[in-house]
Amino acid sequence: DAKTTQPNSMESNEEEPVHLPCNHSTISGTDYIHWYRQLPSQGPEYVIHGLTSNVNNRMASLAIAEDRKSSTLILHRATLRDAAVYYCILQQSGGYQKVTFGIGTKLQVIP
Amino acid sequence: NAGVMQNPRHLVRRRGQEARLRCSPMKGHSHVYWYRQLPEEGLKFMVYLQKENIIDESGMPKERFSAEFPKEGPSILRIQQVVRGDSAAYFCASSLQGIGSNQPQHFGDGTRLSIL
Repeated sequence: DAKTTQPNSMESNEEEPVHLPCNHSTISGTDYIHWYRQLPSQGPEYVIHGLTSNVNNRMASLAIAEDRKSSTLILHRATLRDAAVYYCILQQSGGYQKVTFGIGTKLQVIP
Repeated sequence: NAGVMQNPRHLVRRRGQEARLRCSPMKGHSHVYWYRQLPEEGLKFMVYLQKENIIDESGMPKERFSAEFPKEGPSILRIQQVVRGDSAAYFCASSLQGIGSNQPQHFGDGTRLSIL
């Protein structure tokens, strides 16, 4: 039921940037793009969200395609603590629609 | 600031027993969500509650499972007559306002339920 598509896994070298892609070709005009990550044996943690414009915060950057059918989470310098499963989800604004998590992307960071 | 607190962290039950999972949302949050996660799988939505009301229980099995979020106290996910297939990690999340407000969800560290 997930409305987003992500690669199952990715690898990155420590201290290098990481670009995690997400496709959401059926996104509607009121859907926000949210990213969460889940470290081993922990609950998911909110990372960032956006609607149309690119967004930056202390954890990451979010680049959103002009047609909004895809987005990319950017970790500027991967650390070992960034090894986690990253989930890209759509969250409708202005009305209730349950949130659906897919399988996410498992990011492995190589020292 | 205390985050979302779930207890117990680990719960072992024998088939046929009852399991009660508790979730205290972040202070000031009145919206609670429960999810289930099987090993190597994503989170599956179960139920969304607002104080004293069930808003959406479409992801929760109709039999043996129930959830509540009373005016006072934590939210409870109750599983009666547990079976081996109920073994999973159960996560609770809370938000200040409902999903339609675009507020992020804050998750607890889950309860890992094992059925013998």
